[in-house]
Amino acid sequence: IAGITQAPTSQILAAGRRMTLRCTQDMRHNAMYWYRQDLGLGLRLIHYSNTAGTTGKGEVPDGYSVSRANTDDFPLTLASAVPSQTSVYFCASSGGGGDTDTQYFGPGTRLTVL
Amino acid sequence: RKEVEQDPGPFNVPEGATVAFNCTYSNSASQSFFWYRQDCRKEPKLLMSVYSSGNEDGRFTAQLNRASQYISLLIRDSKLSDSATYLCVVNKTYYQLIWGAGTKLIIKP
Repeated sequence: IAGITQAPTSQILAAGRRMTLRCTQDMRHNAMYWYRQDLGLGLRLIHYSNTAGTTGKGEVPDGYSVSRANTDDFPLTLASAVPSQTSVYFCASSGGGGDTDTQYFGPGTRLTVL
Repeated sequence: RKEVEQDPGPFNVPEGATVAFNCTYSNSASQSFFWYRQDCRKEPKLLMSVYSSGNEDGRFTAQLNRASQYISLLIRDSKLSDSATYLCVVNKTYYQLIWGAGTKLIIKP
């Protein structure tokens, strides 16, 4: 693994189903982030983690949960998917987590909720 | 008003030309500014950070105007490979960045 990987690449999901998007990084970065990207809008932060064991809410956290059990993994869970959660989801990481750090992104997960 | 605003474009520019676009931001307390590049709905990648004194990286020049609250990106001698969407990014808090929706640039041969 080099960088950040995300799985699945894409998914079609029935409304009401539970779904976990996986994110793994091998750069030993402290901070990790989940964003969603929708047409006509900038990336919006869902949740973040500045170090293993801690998480925080971003701009649009409702309907999503995260955990950070270790440095490498930062899964995002949709407990009960709704059509408005149809989006492209990007996971990112940065070394120190501060706002001056470069964020490195995974390739994204394209999620469609029907 | 959006916190970070960009002209969505597209900017259609002939190869070799110079192109510039701006991004305005609303939070006067913002301290960190970036331009990221995104190809065809792939992941964003950092193009350059924007410093108060302005900075240049090869054909790319970024400027910050705090008084008017905008940052700019200038691309000289544009290449076909410069075709992409350019995302303006501004910090809101220590951990939160606000992303513009992007400016689409198309370089034509």
